[in-house]
Amino acid sequence: QKEVEQDPGPLSVPEGAIVSLNCTYSNSAFQYFMWYRQYSRKGPELLMYTYSSGNKEDGRFTAQVDKSSKYISLFIRDSQPSDSATYLCAPKKSSGDKLTFGTGTRLAVRP
Amino acid sequence: GAVVSQHPSWVICKSGTSVKIECRSLDFQATTMFWYRQFPKQSLMLMATSNEGSKATYEQGVEKDKFLINHASLTLSTLTVTSAHPEDSSFYICSARDKADNYGYTFGSGTRLTVV
Repeated sequence: QKEVEQDPGPLSVPEGAIVSLNCTYSNSAFQYFMWYRQYSRKGPELLMYTYSSGNKEDGRFTAQVDKSSKYISLFIRDSQPSDSATYLCAPKKSSGDKLTFGTGTRLAVRP
Repeated sequence: GAVVSQHPSWVICKSGTSVKIECRSLDFQATTMFWYRQFPKQSLMLMATSNEGSKATYEQGVEKDKFLINHASLTLSTLTVTSAHPEDSSFYICSARDKADNYGYTFGSGTRLTVV
């Protein structure tokens, strides 16, 4: 079993839709939870991060962590074609620890 | 925000030659740098972790004599692919940790290596 599981997609939605991206993980030692966005042939860029359980909102993006069920979510409101990319969840155990990446979900937002 | 510069962005080399990829943190000191490899439509695979002034720690299955990592300063790490072969063709990405940042790491833009 992989430490981090993520549906690879692709996920295709119309512009303006609410997008829900999810990950599950198996390592209960994970304390920090990151979401990265990666455009084709580019390095990942950090979108959101949370520590422990809870919600965090930043503009159109909301990250949720439920440690009891080991479930991580990223919601995108009012999705735009420019949101079309691969979204990777990446938890880690401690502040200086390596990231453990999910497989990434490819999202396509249709105009 | 934090910026990591990675060069070259793409390189083509002949089989048997060596290629060096540079990763620089431009506006922060990177106590730790990570090197990843990514195949098409797949996730990032961590190859090694390097701390400034120390030997790199390689992940299981990664040949340390083939993928030489040097982290001689707080702003520069290099990955050298020695005696490259076509199967080494891939997308290589570095990331750097700012000592003052407990959360996400900053990634370079990646290097596409093609070995012919």
